[in-house]
Amino acid sequence: EVQLVESGGGLVQPGGSLRLSCAASGFAFSSYEMNWVRQAPGKGLEWVSHISGSGSTIYYADSVKGRFAISRDNAKNSLYLQMNSLRAEDTAVYYCARSRTGQNWGQGTLVTVSS
Amino acid sequence: DIQMTQSPSSLSTSVGDRVTITCRASQGISNYLAWFQQKPGKAPKSLIYAASSLQSGVPSKFSGSGSGTDFTLTISSLQPEDFATYYCQQYNSYPLTFGGGTKVEIK
Repeated sequence: EVQLVESGGGLVQPGGSLRLSCAASGFAFSSYEMNWVRQAPGKGLEWVSHISGSGSTIYYADSVKGRFAISRDNAKNSLYLQMNSLRAEDTAVYYCARSRTGQNWGQGTLVTVSS
Repeated sequence: DIQMTQSPSSLSTSVGDRVTITCRASQGISNYLAWFQQKPGKAPKSLIYAASSLQSGVPSKFSGSGSGTDFTLTISSLQPEDFATYYCQQYNSYPLTFGGGTKVEIK
């Protein structure tokens, strides 16, 4: 069974940093591109970042470019999102999702940016 | 960026009804379109990919169609567990973009 489990969310002050993790199991992790998608409270879905299976291709939404960094450790079947210079508008539930078709999603981790 | 426009944004309907949700892309995306269902407090669930292919385990009452810029999601004979918000998403190119969502509510 495919499982994606996010962790690392929490309350952080504006300008602060947070590192999210996504632990994957039940599939050949290194063979799949992965994405981070977020959802602000009461809002729709917003794509954040993409990384290819090898990690060689990376994309970011303009809203996070230069502040967020996606990475993966295929030996540990894990995906990461380093979030720096956080803003109030980054407050959201962050999901990791398998492939560009969103085949599987984790349960999400809540990031709250507030003083 | 490709803009995805869903309509309606919400609808009230009854158990047993047939529901159709439309999604329009701002430029042609071939059939690179996915549909998701999301219930309150839960993660999105994949229903359809490649515009019309059903994800494994998804009941056949869900169907998708379309190509190019215009797409539809149809739910035949709505059941209580189908009341949720539905999103379309294009994956023709990055950035991936989602429609604004359609909330299906009980009349």
